[in-house]
Amino acid sequence: AQRVTQPEKLLSVFKGAPVELKCNYSYSGSPELFWYVQYSRQRLQLLLRHISRESIKGFTADLNKGETSFHLKKPFAQEEDSAMYYCALRGPTDSWGKLQFGAGTQVVVTP
Amino acid sequence: DAGVTQSPTHLIKTRGQHVTLRCSPISGHKSVSWYQQVLGQGPQFIFQYYEKEERGRGNFPDRFSARQFPNYSSELNVNALLLGDSALYLCASSATSGTRPRYEQYFGPGTRLTVT
Repeated sequence: AQRVTQPEKLLSVFKGAPVELKCNYSYSGSPELFWYVQYSRQRLQLLLRHISRESIKGFTADLNKGETSFHLKKPFAQEEDSAMYYCALRGPTDSWGKLQFGAGTQVVVTP
Repeated sequence: DAGVTQSPTHLIKTRGQHVTLRCSPISGHKSVSWYQQVLGQGPQFIFQYYEKEERGRGNFPDRFSARQFPNYSSELNVNALLLGDSALYLCASSATSGTRPRYEQYFGPGTRLTVT
């Protein structure tokens, strides 16, 4: 069964410190992987997708097919990075509007 | 554009009742997906509709149904409400480029349903 696992419910880091959010998935195939973010009192929004291989707001994520992981990283956390982060996948045979989300990781960046 | 809109914002229902939730996608978006988010969990996919047809269904009982209208707005209906249906219900819309869908989903603010 396909599954997205985010092992950390809460991640507390100091401003300027590196931050890494873990995401592991189980899927027999080649899914698309995404990171969505929800800032306080805002809507859930796309942060980045693995196919783009781009850096958004200083965040990058590398898809490791061998380890079936898609960890999100930022070298220097900022206070505005405090938010809820969700890892999500879409299977190649899934409808394009179907995402499977992990339980989320709450990131708190303290000054 | 106000983005994806959902109504109502909150509602309280009694076990066994029926509820209808509404969603208006971003102008020009023809695809609407529904998700249920229980407290402490990530969103769980319920349905996707595109061009008024169901294109995907999650693992939810038949008490859950949805439809899409010619203006691409959508309704989610839940019959015979159970306490476990209490959740935030999210709607998301996505654009299409010709016949090819675009990957990004734009989420609404959600409808908070409480079943007592």
